[in-house]
Amino acid sequence: SQQGEEDPQALSIQEGENATMNCSYKTSINNLQWYRQNSGRGLVHLILIRSNEREKHSGRLRVTLDTSKKSSSLLITASRAADTASYFCATRFYTGGFKTIFGAGTRLFVKA
Amino acid sequence: GAGVSQSPRYKVAKRGQDVALRCDPISGHVSLFWYQQALGQGPEFLTYFQNEAQLDKSGLPSDRFFAERPEGSVSTLKIQRTQQEDSAVYLCASSQTGVNSPLHFGNGTRLTVT
Repeated sequence: SQQGEEDPQALSIQEGENATMNCSYKTSINNLQWYRQNSGRGLVHLILIRSNEREKHSGRLRVTLDTSKKSSSLLITASRAADTASYFCATRFYTGGFKTIFGAGTRLFVKA
Repeated sequence: GAGVSQSPRYKVAKRGQDVALRCDPISGHVSLFWYQQALGQGPEFLTYFQNEAQLDKSGLPSDRFFAERPEGSVSTLKIQRTQQEDSAVYLCASSQTGVNSPLHFGNGTRLTVT
């Protein structure tokens, strides 16, 4: 089962614009992570935000976390054609071990 | 250093055959995860190991699916009597200990059951 739900499912923007993706989840979490996947490849970790953090930045990435609403957002600023990929949020929580569950993803297409 | 390695990269099996998918995690990584990813979907959790202990196998779809990691390093996901609905990409990921350690993924094994 998947805990995270992302929206939009797909997003098409022009190069230079900002892209915002949202993620909602169901249970209490230890942290929330965002990953990127290029077609035919494995996922690559982008950024992690802990449950006691509200905002985090890494380069052109900005992540927010609202644990009261069980939601997170990923903002990619000044997008580039190379940012075209699928983006997934993943929540980590304890169930006898630390399980990591992924959402269905947002497919981002950046037009040059 | 080397990343997570999965083999084979592609596997075609006739319905009813057994398959074995291998994952070589990053050296020293304690945790190992298996996921199943259907086309256009997110990775679905299958099972999780910490060293050789299988801590969670709640995501395995049926008793035809079996995973092992006998020495706490290499892991094998075995699917018996494959069905067409087993066709998917199977992803392996490893991580260091610690709740805030990110997952490092292999490129997956694409299984096609004909």
